[in-house]
Amino acid sequence: DSGVTQTPKHLITATGQRVTLRCSPRSGDLSVYWYQQSLDQGLQFLIQYYNGEERAKGNILERFSAQQFPDLHSELNLSSLELGDSALYFCASSPSGSEQYFGPGTRLTVT
Amino acid sequence: GENVEQHPSTLSVQEGDSAVIKCTYSDSASNYFPWYKQELGKRPQLIIDIRSNVGEKKDQRIAVTLNKTAKHFSLHITETQPEDSAVYFCAASHNAGNMLTFGGGTRLMVKP
Repeated sequence: DSGVTQTPKHLITATGQRVTLRCSPRSGDLSVYWYQQSLDQGLQFLIQYYNGEERAKGNILERFSAQQFPDLHSELNLSSLELGDSALYFCASSPSGSEQYFGPGTRLTVT
Repeated sequence: GENVEQHPSTLSVQEGDSAVIKCTYSDSASNYFPWYKQELGKRPQLIIDIRSNVGEKKDQRIAVTLNKTAKHFSLHITETQPEDSAVYFCAASHNAGNMLTFGGGTRLMVKP
C-alpha cells in the first residue's frame, strides 16, 4: 500500500457523460500527478499540481480538467466522454522533489 | 519533449537466470530515472531509481546502470523468481519531482 488513495475503483459510464475521479495523496505530500494508462498509449502524464497550483501539463485533452484542493486532495474531471477515454487513471504523489508513489487507480469504461 | 524507448517488450527467462531491460532517452536534461513494477491490475510500484550523479545503484537482487553520454539506462535482475513476473516500466524526468515520461514497458515472465 503506497498510502495514496483513489476513488472510485471502477467506473462505467456512457459516451457524452462527465465523471470525476478523486485522489488523496500520502500524508505530507504536496505534489499530485495524474497519469492515464491505456493499452495503445502506455502510461502518459496528464497534469501535475503542487500545493494547490498547477505545475505542469502533459497531453491532457481540453475535455479534461483537474484541481487540487486546500486539503491537498485532487480531482480529475473528464467530460464529453468518448470510447477512447476508457483507460486506467492513476494518481501519484510525492514530497517536494522526490520520488512518486502511485495510487491503485480508477478503471474507467466508457460504453 | 522527452522520448523514452524500452526494449525488449517481452522477456522470458528461467527461474534463477538474470534479466536485463534497457531504455534509451532523448532529452539530455533528464537526470532522474526510476523503474516501476506493475503486476496485473495493480498500481505501478517504484522498485529502484537512479540520479545522474551516479552510474550504478544496487538493491539486493536488482541494480540499475546509467550511461549519460549514451543516454541509456538498464535494469538488471539477478536470480529471478516467479514473483518477479510483471510488467516493468522505465521512466525519465528532469528532476525527481517532475513529470515522468515512461517507456513502453517490458513484460517479464519467469518460468519455474
